[in-house]
Amino acid sequence: DQQVKQNSPSLSVQEGRISILNCDYTNSMFDYFLWYKKYPAEGPTFLISISSIKDKNEDGRFTVFLNKSAKHLSLHIVPSQPGDSAVYFCAASGNFGNEKLTFGTGTRLTIIP
Amino acid sequence: EAGVAQSPRYKIIEKRQSVAFWCNPISGHATLYWYQQILGQGPKLLIQFQNNGVVDDSQLPKDRFSAERLKGVDSTLKIQPAKLEDSAVYLCASSPRLAGGPETQYFGPGTRLLVL
Repeated sequence: DQQVKQNSPSLSVQEGRISILNCDYTNSMFDYFLWYKKYPAEGPTFLISISSIKDKNEDGRFTVFLNKSAKHLSLHIVPSQPGDSAVYFCAASGNFGNEKLTFGTGTRLTIIP
Repeated sequence: EAGVAQSPRYKIIEKRQSVAFWCNPISGHATLYWYQQILGQGPKLLIQFQNNGVVDDSQLPKDRFSAERLKGVDSTLKIQPAKLEDSAVYLCASSPRLAGGPETQYFGPGTRLLVL
């Protein structure tokens, strides 16, 4: 039972353009969402998070949008840079982050110079 | 500040053999996690320690997997006997917080296990 889904296994974007990564969830108890970035042979690193009391959170080039009614969140990266090429995992938690993380399957983002 | 250390980085074993992984968290971090990441899937939490006590092991296959965190610092994860489906990357993470704020989890590079 995949409670967090990333339906696009891969995405290619031109350098300088916007990258949009999508994530859907099914568990209505999730109220805290995170994006992690993973380079090959390294562990995931935290990128940005959002609580269900907000619908947008921005940190530099990264913005996460949350649509609670659609149970959907997205990560926008603008402008995209070659160093953004990595696997991005969406993760969700309950009790405002106090419960264990449930990860999606990941999207491999490739930025084309 | 040194990151989370894991060893070995790679391990190949035959099914029914046993294997152990080691994790050294960031100094002072109270909480330690073991995750299993099967190819094409996201990490799945196996066990969470707070100091040397178990907080959550609901997804740990206890018939073959065991983990311990002696003295609340290093941790070992053991599989005995291994099955083909245990082939995965085993990630260790640590956090300085006792509760809340999953963004403060710092992951190690992982141990890639292949069971033949």
